[in-house]
Amino acid sequence: LAKTTQPISMDSYEGQEVNITCSHNNIATNDYITWYQQFPSQGPRFIIQGYKTKVTNEVASLFIPADRKSSTLSLPRVSLSDTAVYYCLVAGAGSYQLTFGKGTKLSVIP
Amino acid sequence: SAVISQKPSRDICQRGTSLTIQCQVDSQVTMMFWYRQQPGQSLTLIATANQGSEATYESGFVIDKFPISRPNLTFSTLTVSNMSPEDSSIYLCSVMDSPYDYNSPLHFGNGTRLTVT
Repeated sequence: LAKTTQPISMDSYEGQEVNITCSHNNIATNDYITWYQQFPSQGPRFIIQGYKTKVTNEVASLFIPADRKSSTLSLPRVSLSDTAVYYCLVAGAGSYQLTFGKGTKLSVIP
Repeated sequence: SAVISQKPSRDICQRGTSLTIQCQVDSQVTMMFWYRQQPGQSLTLIATANQGSEATYESGFVIDKFPISRPNLTFSTLTVSNMSPEDSSIYLCSVMDSPYDYNSPLHFGNGTRLTVT
């Protein structure tokens, strides 16, 4: 299973752009990178997925360099409601059994 | 995406007893997964439950402690047996969009918060 490494925590002020980087050096050729968001007392929620270059949706952008050994989740103009834990996952060479890392706890400060 | 309902949302149980957690999905899904999230920790996969076959357990989890049923394509149960305080956790049910694509995103219920006294 591909292992991912993220910062344990990050702080940001409201209105700023937040970039969370995830390292996945052992990513396999067919693996996608998927990000989830988890609020307290809720299950994780899928927010974005990508394979290479850049993916954007209404919530976030995902930047993936050519070597695909890392990825960056970008949250534009965060608000207090973006305070959550963000998980980066890479399935790992055909495995359906996903391993969650420790995630990044984002705290947005007024 | 699938909508997942779990019951109960929370419970307080005495040690030595068992609790069965139900997971209902609003559409038919092949693959269902049960996770545990201990206080302040990340998620750990307990087992994969596919309809028509025995559940597959991850290392450190056994069927006698966490029996799972999967009677049809929209429902599953996880039982936490002979509970001890160490079983106090959030238990989460999840499903995968497509059984044919291992990159398919997971969707989660809101979990069952279990406290064992």
